[in-house]
Amino acid sequence: GAVVSQHPSRVICKSGTSVKIECRSLDFQATTMFWYRQFPKQSLMLMATSNEGSKATYEQGVEKDKFLINHASLTLSTLTVTSAHPEDSSFYICSASPAGPGANVLTFGAGSRLTVL
Amino acid sequence: GENVEQHPSTLSVQEGDSAVIKCTYSDSASNYFPWYKQELGKGPQLIIDIRSNVGEKKDQRIAVTLNKTAKHFSLHITETQPEDSAVYFCAASWLTNAGKSTFGDGTTLTVKP
Repeated sequence: GAVVSQHPSRVICKSGTSVKIECRSLDFQATTMFWYRQFPKQSLMLMATSNEGSKATYEQGVEKDKFLINHASLTLSTLTVTSAHPEDSSFYICSASPAGPGANVLTFGAGSRLTVL
Repeated sequence: GENVEQHPSTLSVQEGDSAVIKCTYSDSASNYFPWYKQELGKGPQLIIDIRSNVGEKKDQRIAVTLNKTAKHFSLHITETQPEDSAVYFCAASWLTNAGKSTFGDGTTLTVKP
């Protein structure tokens, strides 16, 4: 079945630094990937839609300069949290779906837990 | 926009019993309703989904029912096992844009051995 790899699974950084999280579709091509944020015991909040070869589409209230998204290839999207602060600490999850048949089926990465000190 | 409500927020059952989780949605244009299981520290995994042209779908111990008129859908797990313990999320979206799903708030299911 479809596999989405997310890396790193955990990252701790100092306040003011930037952190990059990678999301890769291992066995299919994904023209669109999605980035979510999840707080403890809460639901997934869609942050942005990552489009291969073009700019990401951000949800209302999400700072695009804070959360930089790059979708350079059909199998890789990256989320960079710039100048991270403690309030950016969260669980970040990506998802992807293949083009064509099965495009409605989302496969999620295992998530990345970011802790900003 | 779409609004999805999920109940209950927590559910505890004895091993072997059934578990039912219910969701309602507001947008009658939604036509795709997946259910995800999320284990601690992991990303969600699709366990079953249903499209609006179907009223019920079953996969072994898991079944989902959909009432389009009432705009609600439910997840049924029979013969529960301890490994079913997890957080379950329902979602609603358009079939052509599942990535823009609206998720319910989740149900923490605990199956006691």
